[in-house]
Parts: sequence; structure tokens; C-alpha cells
Amino acid sequence: RKEVEQDPGPFNVPEGATVAFNCTYSNSASQSFFWYRQDCRKEPKLLMSVYSSGNEDGRFTAQLNRASQYISLLIRDSKLSDSATYLCVVNGYNNNDMRFGAGTRLTVKP
Amino acid sequence: DVKVTQSSRYLVKRTGEKVFLECVQDMDHENMFWYRQDPGLGLRLIYFSYDVKMKEKGDIPEGYSVSREKKERFSLILESASTNQTSMYLCASSLSPKWVYEQYFGPGTRLTVT
Repeated sequence: RKEVEQDPGPFNVPEGATVAFNCTYSNSASQSFFWYRQDCRKEPKLLMSVYSSGNEDGRFTAQLNRASQYISLLIRDSKLSDSATYLCVVNGYNNNDMRFGAGTRLTVKP
Repeated sequence: DVKVTQSSRYLVKRTGEKVFLECVQDMDHENMFWYRQDPGLGLRLIYFSYDVKMKEKGDIPEGYSVSREKKERFSLILESASTNQTSMYLCASSLSPKWVYEQYFGPGTRLTVT
């Protein structure tokens, strides 16, 4: 079993739709959680950290469920510019414990 | 604005060649990382360094070595390139070895070994 698993997609949604991605992780000792965004042929960039209580940044909401060991990302009112691959990142205690999911590809269509 | 630069965007090398990939960051970050990214596998950590001349193996160090002689520069070396090392190589840096901070990535080097 992979340490961090994501549905690879692709998710094809119309503009304005709400879309949600889940990511499961296997290490129950994981301490910190992130969503990164990677545009085609570009480097990953931090989208948002995921806090225990859940957090929101504009149209984006991230949730953590420790009991079931998954994190989620919800995008409301999708824009064309949201088209990208979303990487789930889970970390243990140390910087070299970061584990990346393979990514979920989202395409938002007009 | 943090900037991480990598020496080449595209590189084609022959099997058995020694390959050097260079990475430079301009934000005085302590940590630097080398990953490779392959379809369906995500990013996998090759090596990381938390200080000058310090290095730690990641998940897939075999066939690679690294060098960090200056804080801003972290080099990845493929001692004898093989076709299974064809991949996208991403360098990253982050602020502190003590806490887990956001990682800033370079634009990547797409290496093809023929």
C-alpha cells in the first residue's frame, strides 16, 4: 500500500462547479499536512496547509480526519485557472519524512 | 520572493555518463532537497541536506550522490547514468531543519538517458 494515495483523476468539471478530492495516508504518526498545486510542466507550489480544525482560503477548504487518516480539498465555484494537478503531502516529524501523493488532475471546462 | 534555480531545464545524456544537476536558492534556507518525479509515483526524495556539508539519504539514494559545499548550492550527481534514471528532477529548499516548513521548488530538470 502506498503511504499517500490520491485518486489520479482526471476530474473534468464545468466552470462554477464544486469539486472535492480526498487523500489517504498510512502513517498514523503523521504530523503535518499540505496541499500543493502543480501546473502542467511547472514546479509544485504550496496551495495551503491543512490544520486539525480545518481551514478555508477563499474558495478552497481543507479538512483533516485523523481517525480515518485522510485529508480533503474542496474547491467551490471552479475557475478555468484552477486546472492543475493537486498534490497531497503528508509529513512525519522530520523534514525528510515528507510523502507526496501522485496527484489528482483537475480540468475545469468553460 | 524565494527563488530556486536549476542549471538546466532539459538534459540528454548517454548511459554511463556522469551527470551533474545544480540547484541554487537565494533565500538563505537551511534545508535543500532533491526529488525525482515520475508519472503515477509522485515525488520521491533522493537526498536532502540540512546544513553545509551535511546530507541525509532519502527513499531512493541508490545511483546518486550529492554535494553541498555552500549553503545556497546543492548538487545532485549521477555517477553513471542509466536509462531508469530518465525522469524529472526537482530541487527544493525550506527554511529550517527544526520545523516542517513550506518547500519552494525549482523549475525542474527533465533528464533523458539514452
